Amino acid sequence: AQSVTQLDSQVPVFEEAPVELRCNYSSSVSVYLFWYVQYPNQGLQLLLKYLSGSTLVESINGFEAEFNKSQTSFHLRKPSVHISDTAEYFCAVSEGNTGKLIFGQGTTLQVKP
Amino acid sequence: DAGVIQSPRHEVTEMGQEVTLRCKPISGHNSLFWYRQTMMRGLELLIYFNNNVPIDDSGMPEDRFSAKMPNASFSTLKIQPSEPRDSAVYFCASSFDRVVQHFGDGTRLSIL
Repeated sequence: AQSVTQLDSQVPVFEEAPVELRCNYSSSVSVYLFWYVQYPNQGLQLLLKYLSGSTLVESINGFEAEFNKSQTSFHLRKPSVHISDTAEYFCAVSEGNTGKLIFGQGTTLQVKP
Repeated sequence: DAGVIQSPRHEVTEMGQEVTLRCKPISGHNSLFWYRQTMMRGLELLIYFNNNVPIDDSGMPEDRFSAKMPNASFSTLKIQPSEPRDSAVYFCASSFDRVVQHFGDGTRLSIL
């Protein structure tokens, strides 16, 4: 069975510092990988996804994630965070296009001034 | 463009009452998903539909829960009778390719 582990439940960081949110998954088949962001009292928004091709994927607001098949990881990084990046971040995996997303427990990113 | 629309945004009711949550997916999307989010269990997929047909309901916790999709633009999740442990945020999501899912803002349900 698939599973997703987000290794940190909370990550406090100062504004303009770099950040990495860690995600590991377990699956015996090819997977699609996602990062979603959730702001307070809102639904989840897709941040970025890996489906195939280049293992490094980027979002429009400066986040990037790298698919590492050998380590079964999909860590999320940003070189310089802003106060507005404060939110809950969820890593998710699905097997192909079955549509079934398995989510990690989430990581709260708290950016301090 | 309108996103996924859920109603109500908040629901508070007493144990034993019937609860109906509603979802309008994005026009043109043919897959619809219902999730439940709690502090203890995180985000769980309850059921999903493809072309209005339930494909996988293995996540539905028990017979008190039921979901329907009578047409491509509307779905309901019903809990009858409701219990305090059903308190959670319920999300609906839709997709046109079953890969990228677009979420609504959720219904925060409190069962007293």
